Amino acid sequence: SQQGEEDPQALSIQEGENATMNCSYKTSINNLQWYRQNSGRGLVHLILIRSNEREKHSGRLRVTLDTSKKSSSLLITASRAADTASYFCATDVYGGSQGNLIFGKGTKLSVKP
Amino acid sequence: NAGVTQTPKFRVLKTGQSMTLLCAQDMNHEYMYWYRQDPGMGLRLIHYSVGEGTTAKGEVPDGYNVSRLKKQNFLLGLESAAPSQTSVYFCASSYGRVWDTEAFFGQGTRLTVV
Repeated sequence: SQQGEEDPQALSIQEGENATMNCSYKTSINNLQWYRQNSGRGLVHLILIRSNEREKHSGRLRVTLDTSKKSSSLLITASRAADTASYFCATDVYGGSQGNLIFGKGTKLSVKP
Repeated sequence: NAGVTQTPKFRVLKTGQSMTLLCAQDMNHEYMYWYRQDPGMGLRLIHYSVGEGTTAKGEVPDGYNVSRLKKQNFLLGLESAAPSQTSVYFCASSYGRVWDTEAFFGQGTRLTVV
């Protein structure tokens, strides 16, 4: 059961440009998280935004959450080649199992030097 | 500062063979999870544990069993491997409920069933 879906599926940009990825989900949530996965590696947590928050920053990352539209966006500013990775949004289902964090299929970001 | 460690990193099994994947975390986390990642499918939860001695089914539990005898270890077993279980398996742990706190992931185990 896919809760979150990222858009676009793939994104290719030049170093220094900004990258924006979007996530849409289907049901009410408590929180939404973004993770990064480098090729062949495990996932690394980037940021968690709670359902009562609208925007959150962490370094070059900016995450927004619009619960009325059931969507979130991840903005990476001044991208670097090292930002090349897949990015996943992950949500719970409000009132659902405490064990289940549901991941989208990811956006594959390629940053060219 | 190991975090979450998975063994083995790679494995090839023949259909019908059994194996156990080991996940160990050194962060004293209560919650541990096993996910599988398939191309174009994202990550799907297999089983999880909310504490030592507890386990619960996730989204895709069939064909897998788990045990959490010690707080720091979470084992995933395949009793009779099938080609459909070819995947990359990730273990994760978190201090609190996974939707409320950061999850830490291992490096993955790439399993091929032939």
